[in-house]
Amino acid sequence: DAKTTQPPSMDCAEGRAANLPCNHSTISGNEYVYWYRQIHSQGPQYIIHGLKNNETNEMASLIITEDRKSSTLILPHATLRDTAVYYCIVRGTRLLTGGGNKLTFGTGTQLKVEL
Amino acid sequence: DADVTQTPRNRITKTGKRIMLECSQTKGHDRMYWYRQDPGLGLRLIYYSFDVKDINKGEISDGYSVSRQAQAKFSLSLESAIPNQTALYFCATSDSSGGAGNEQFFGPGTRLTVL
Repeated sequence: DAKTTQPPSMDCAEGRAANLPCNHSTISGNEYVYWYRQIHSQGPQYIIHGLKNNETNEMASLIITEDRKSSTLILPHATLRDTAVYYCIVRGTRLLTGGGNKLTFGTGTQLKVEL
Repeated sequence: DADVTQTPRNRITKTGKRIMLECSQTKGHDRMYWYRQDPGLGLRLIYYSFDVKDINKGEISDGYSVSRQAQAKFSLSLESAIPNQTALYFCATSDSSGGAGNEQFFGPGTRLTVL
């Protein structure tokens, strides 16, 4: 699975958009980009995933560059409850017996939303 | 009721003791995972199971064993606990029929302290 690089921390004002970047320059053609977040010591929570096209759901939007070497998670109107560590994960989806479903978590980005 | 539950939520034990952490899920998923998280680090995979008869080692399986008693239950054992196994432990589940999604659902975590 491709390695990802994220800034260790970011700040955002409440009500503003939070844009969290992720670099994955070694991503291969069958690998998806996933985002999870972890609110202080709770279990990680799935946010969104995508392959090539931009994606949007009720939580966030995912913008993937045309060359797929980087992506940005956008929380359109950040609230204090969005303060968390955000993990960008790149992995394939082939359901191999040897472990096609493994998620490799790095250290993520600590997002702090402030008043 | 929570879809993925873990017991106990907190445990303090002594070096050399045998400890079992339990995970149960009501999501009907076939795949289950055990991760550990150390302070300031991302999650690392200990063991995973793709069905009741399938158990696989993760990246840090030494010192741990698992049992998949049923599709809904996946237990993690520390045969002889040592202090560097002090960590936050998470169980997760996913559904193999989910196709590209492969979203993992995490439990609330078990905080284990080995003195």
